[in-house]
Amino acid sequence: NAGVTQTPKFRVLKTGQSMTLLCAQDMNHEYMYWYRQDPGMGLRLIHYSVGEGTTAKGEVPDGYNVSRLKKQNFLLGLESAAPSQTSVYFCASSLRVNSPLHFGNGTRLTVT
Amino acid sequence: AQTVTQSQPEMSVQEAETVTLSCTYDTSESDYYLFWYKQPPSRQMILVIRQEAYKQQNATENRFSVNFQKAAKSFSLKISDSQLGDAAMYFCAYRSLGSSNTGKLIFGQGTTLQVKP
Repeated sequence: NAGVTQTPKFRVLKTGQSMTLLCAQDMNHEYMYWYRQDPGMGLRLIHYSVGEGTTAKGEVPDGYNVSRLKKQNFLLGLESAAPSQTSVYFCASSLRVNSPLHFGNGTRLTVT
Repeated sequence: AQTVTQSQPEMSVQEAETVTLSCTYDTSESDYYLFWYKQPPSRQMILVIRQEAYKQQNATENRFSVNFQKAAKSFSLKISDSQLGDAAMYFCAYRSLGSSNTGKLIFGQGTTLQVKP
């Protein structure tokens, strides 16, 4: 049982490049979340999904897009990366709305 | 909108001593959860303790306990008999249980705890 797996673990991008971060969970969880962690700001919610085929904006959605075509996968896309998107990105999932959250181990993204 | 504030960016404690990390929050809701998460250098997010707002009794988990003051909207974490392995970033988090609940967590800014041998 792998839990929540984030791919890749590290990435360096140049300004203007695009990329997709993959979050995969094998626990049949309905709810999935993308957070970014920045020094002194804690974790802030980017986008979330309450089930397959649904997505919604969180606190800091600008510059990101997401898709949840399959229940087990939640993709986070950066269409044109900016240095302000340098951060550590965490994915989390939960079975039901009030079930415990399971976190991935994060992706460190640097945009130069 | 709910907010969570951790006003101590860094704390330090001597090994075997006790330390308290502070957290305050703002909400107009009456039903919610509060959490403390630990993040060691490995970046893993580890749930330390959880408190349901409707419970008056403070939650405890071994050496970790909370002081939950609902009226004051305060939720501090006490670590007793501190160990070197307790060194980490600690996050306080809030989760709504209201009708529009989406299960998301709202995090504080984090407190880095150093444990001195």
